[in-house]
Amino acid sequence: EVQLVESGGGLVQPGGSLRLSCAASGFTFSSYWMSWVRQAPGKGLEWVANIKQDGSEKYDVDSVKGRFTISRDNAKNSLYLQMNSLRAEDTAIYYCARGQAAVGTPKLFDYWGQGTLVTVSS
Amino acid sequence: DIVMTQSPDSLAVSLGERATINCKSSQSVLYSSNNKNYLAWYQQKPGQPPKLLIYWASTRESGVPDRFSGSGSGTDFTLTISSLQAEDVAVYYCLQYYSTRFTFGPGTKVDIK
Repeated sequence: EVQLVESGGGLVQPGGSLRLSCAASGFTFSSYWMSWVRQAPGKGLEWVANIKQDGSEKYDVDSVKGRFTISRDNAKNSLYLQMNSLRAEDTAIYYCARGQAAVGTPKLFDYWGQGTLVTVSS
Repeated sequence: DIVMTQSPDSLAVSLGERATINCKSSQSVLYSSNNKNYLAWYQQKPGQPPKLLIYWASTRESGVPDRFSGSGSGTDFTLTISSLQAEDVAVYYCLQYYSTRFTFGPGTKVDIK
């Protein structure tokens, strides 16, 4: 059974940092792109960042450029999101989601974690 | 970046009736090399993560009831629920994955009339 379990969320002051983790199991983690998707309270979904199987390609949304860094450790079946210079508008549930086996293959985000809440407030 | 829009913002449909949600992309999401549209639909119920319903614009994910169908090509897409059930109350999102920088539509809330 595929499982994605996020951790690391919490309350942080503006300008602070957090590192989110996502533990994957039930599939060959190193064979898939992975992504972070967030959802602000009462709002829609926003793709945040993604990373290729070997970490050689990464993409992120403009609003987090230069502040957030996605990474992965295939030996530990884990995905990470380092979040620096946090702002109130970064407050959201952060979901880890399984991406495609390769760019161009059909399915995207077929598995999601339950999410971890990040609250940025003084 | 590709901008996704959805209409309507919300709709209320009687049980057993049809619900139709539209999604439009700011540029084509059709790959000419394989003639596939890189457009997916997700369902999100309160307190839950999203669930993949449709990928490649019209292919139903395994286990998704056949009352859900997707159609469209290029820049204009539709999700249809042919006979609304109580358990279909949710917010529905389209997503383009033509670009490696993905974008979601703003969502459409579906309720029972």
